[in-house]
Amino acid sequence: SQQGEEDPQALSIQEGENATMNCSYKTSINNLQWYRQNSGRGLVHLILIRSNEREKHSGRLRVTLDTSKKSSSLLITASRAADTASYFCATARSNDYKLSFGAGTTVTVRA
Amino acid sequence: DAMVIQNPRYQVTQFGKPVTLSCSQTLNHNVMYWYQQKSSQAPKLLFHYYDKDFNNEADTPDNFQSRRPNTSFCFLDIRSPGLGDAAMYLCATSRDWDSINEQFFGPGTRLTVL
Repeated sequence: SQQGEEDPQALSIQEGENATMNCSYKTSINNLQWYRQNSGRGLVHLILIRSNEREKHSGRLRVTLDTSKKSSSLLITASRAADTASYFCATARSNDYKLSFGAGTTVTVRA
Repeated sequence: DAMVIQNPRYQVTQFGKPVTLSCSQTLNHNVMYWYQQKSSQAPKLLFHYYDKDFNNEADTPDNFQSRRPNTSFCFLDIRSPGLGDAAMYLCATSRDWDSINEQFFGPGTRLTVL
């Protein structure tokens, strides 16, 4: 069942601007992962944050996790046209290898 | 490069005509997953294999079956496709049982049912 809910559903920004999207979930988790999906393609893993971590960086990506609010955010800094894609959060519960995906945020970066 | 490959990328079938989608991996991962993704929706897990052990999701229709003849290959069989089965089918792998593992996805097969 779908546990993650992304917000907003869609986001349009100018190249060079930052993009922020949020994910909320319902039950306790072991870790939370963010994936990117280009149109008509498979998902690509971006970053994983464990439940005992609060912030993680990878290149232009910054992920935060607030387990007390059951929410996470993904920030893409200095966006590029190539960042145009759908972004999904996926949660993994303790003792459960399965991922539960949200419906995604569609990001459009205008040149 | 090690990867997850899906064939074909696009599949057109007729209502009720059986179809098989294939997935292969060169990652030597223990776990292989099949997801169904409809337009603008979250990927929905259909089933997965941990090695040869098959695990079906409770709400996966009986119309969907899977086979994993060896570590590298996994097939999705749709016995009698309906119009509602038109979707993107994604194959993914992960190294092991641990939920810490990231999943590696293939490019997907877009299924059209006429």
